[in-house]
Amino acid sequence: AQSVTQLGSHVSVSEGALVLLRCNYSSSVPPYLFWYVQYPNQGLQLLLKYTSAATLVKGINGFEAEFKKSETSFHLTKPSAHMSDAAEYFCAVSVNTGNQFYFGTGTSLTVIP
Amino acid sequence: GAGVSQSPRYKVAKRGQDVALRCDPISGHVSLFWYQQALGQGPEFLTYFQNEAQLDKSGLPSDRFFAERPEGSVSTLKIQRTQQEDSAVYLCASSWYSGGRSYEQYFGPGTRLTVT
Repeated sequence: AQSVTQLGSHVSVSEGALVLLRCNYSSSVPPYLFWYVQYPNQGLQLLLKYTSAATLVKGINGFEAEFKKSETSFHLTKPSAHMSDAAEYFCAVSVNTGNQFYFGTGTSLTVIP
Repeated sequence: GAGVSQSPRYKVAKRGQDVALRCDPISGHVSLFWYQQALGQGPEFLTYFQNEAQLDKSGLPSDRFFAERPEGSVSTLKIQRTQQEDSAVYLCASSWYSGGRSYEQYFGPGTRLTVT
């Protein structure tokens, strides 16, 4: 079975500080992993994806994530938070044997000026 | 269009009414997905289409939920005899399909359904 756990439903950081949003996955086969961002009243926008190539993945808006198989993790980071980063972030896993995506429960990021 | 569109954006239904939610995927995307997103939760899978074929409907919560994609493009999610627990945002997503799998999904803005 596949699942995603996002530790911390709410994260607050100061503007300019490091952003770290945690995601751990459970998958019996090599997964594809994704981070999406959702702004209020909008759909989900893809930030970045891991598809078994480089383990360090760079995405849009300065975000990146590192796939660590030994830790079954895919944490999202950004060196310096901007006010515009305040949003809901979702980690998702997909396996190559099917077409279902499994989403975490989300982490709400607040950026304090 | 450039992205996935959904209509209506907001829908208020009285309990017991039927509703129909529309999704226009990105042109050329073979795969289409419907999700239900409750307040404060992540999207929950409802159903999946590959072209016009509904290959997975394991996430549909009851037989009141029905989805179709008759020509392999536009899809409609229908909910019959709506209940209060159906209140949620319904998200549609589409993606490329190749080599036996779908790739990253592109989401529409969602339809917020409120059942009163």
